[in-house]
Amino acid sequence: AQRVTQPEKLLSVFKGAPVELKCNYSYSGSPELFWYVQYSRQRLQLLLRHISRESIKGFTADLNKGETSFHLKKPFAQEEDSAMYYCALRAGNQFYFGTGTSLTVIP
Amino acid sequence: DAGITQSPRHKVTETGTPVTLRCHQTENHRYMYWYRQDPGHGLRLIHYSYGVKDTDKGEVSDGYSVSRSKTEDFLLTLESATSSQTSVYFCAIATVSFYEQYFGPGTRLTVT
Repeated sequence: AQRVTQPEKLLSVFKGAPVELKCNYSYSGSPELFWYVQYSRQRLQLLLRHISRESIKGFTADLNKGETSFHLKKPFAQEEDSAMYYCALRAGNQFYFGTGTSLTVIP
Repeated sequence: DAGITQSPRHKVTETGTPVTLRCHQTENHRYMYWYRQDPGHGLRLIHYSYGVKDTDKGEVSDGYSVSRSKTEDFLLTLESATSSQTSVYFCAIATVSFYEQYFGPGTRLTVT
């Protein structure tokens, strides 16, 4: 069965420090993985998708099939990065989300 | 925001009453989804639709039903609301080839 695990419910880092939000998945097929972000009082929005191999707002994520991970990284955290982050896996017509990590960037 | 709206945005209802939430989209997307968001559980899929009158169950479908009589509208009904259905409900669409999901603004439902 497909599953997405985000082990950290809460994560706090200082402004300018590196940040890594962990995501592990379980899926028998070829995975398509995404990171979504939800800023305070806003709707969820796509941050990045692994198939694009893009960098959005300084964030990157690399799919590691051997470790079944898709960790989100940013070298220098900014205060505006404070938000809830969700990792998601697409399996067929459905998307499976992790439980989310709330990131707080301390000024 | 892919033209997705939800109504109502907030609702308080009593246990045992039926409740219908509406999701409306303006861009003719085929796939539409209903999720609930709860602390510690993230987003969980309730039901989804892959076309008019075509729907399927998600992970947490018990106590919920859906209908899609028009491409633009996807309705979620709580047949007899319970306190465990207090949650924030999000509607979403998927773009062609599932390249991306766009989410609605959410509906905060409180069942007392």
